[in-house]
Amino acid sequence: DAGVIQSPRHEVTEMGQEVTLRCKPISGHDYLFWYRQTMMRGLELLIYFNNNVPIDDSGMPEDRFSAKMPNASFSTLKIQPSEPRDSAVYFCASKRGSEQYFGPGTRLTVT
Amino acid sequence: RKEVEQDPGPFNVPEGATVAFNCTYSNSASQSFFWYRQDCRKEPKLLMSVYSSGNEDGRFTAQLNRASQYISLLIRDSKLSDSATYLCAVTSGSSNTGKLIFGQGTTLQVKP
Repeated sequence: DAGVIQSPRHEVTEMGQEVTLRCKPISGHDYLFWYRQTMMRGLELLIYFNNNVPIDDSGMPEDRFSAKMPNASFSTLKIQPSEPRDSAVYFCASKRGSEQYFGPGTRLTVT
Repeated sequence: RKEVEQDPGPFNVPEGATVAFNCTYSNSASQSFFWYRQDCRKEPKLLMSVYSSGNEDGRFTAQLNRASQYISLLIRDSKLSDSATYLCAVTSGSSNTGKLIFGQGTTLQVKP
């Protein structure tokens, strides 16, 4: 079975540009999570969805970040405008039941 | 105080050694507990869930102590391939949404 799929795997962009990260959860999973990982702050939950509906976005750092889940098989995380402090690895995870499974992540560098 | 705390290590141990990690959590209402393994520049991968009665999977044993609010991971007969960062994860409160809070991770280096 295919796991969680994320694209792109690497993104390098300049400050001020819009960045869109994409995620395809495991088929049949009804929860989707977006995380950010940095050395300083570890793994932080940004937002999660249940049945495509955003449930908790309290971890989204500020209005520059937005996430959507238009259907059960696709979600996006958008940063506009991007800033150097947004540089991190962004993971998508999905679950059905108790166990979450992570995608390979998108390594974002904002210069 | 962080919701979930781990000793970052690194723990440097020789092959064949037994090593144990602890993870403390602050929310007594938390219901589900997990250990994840993360290799360098890779995603976290679920190692094992932690059940109230404790559970074992080969060389790995996980235990939960609700009274003292910690979970532990014991690795016996360490292999070089066990070198990684081990993250504990705890559900946020009593809800079953699966919202996980992660510790900072404990780094294990197994030496020949």
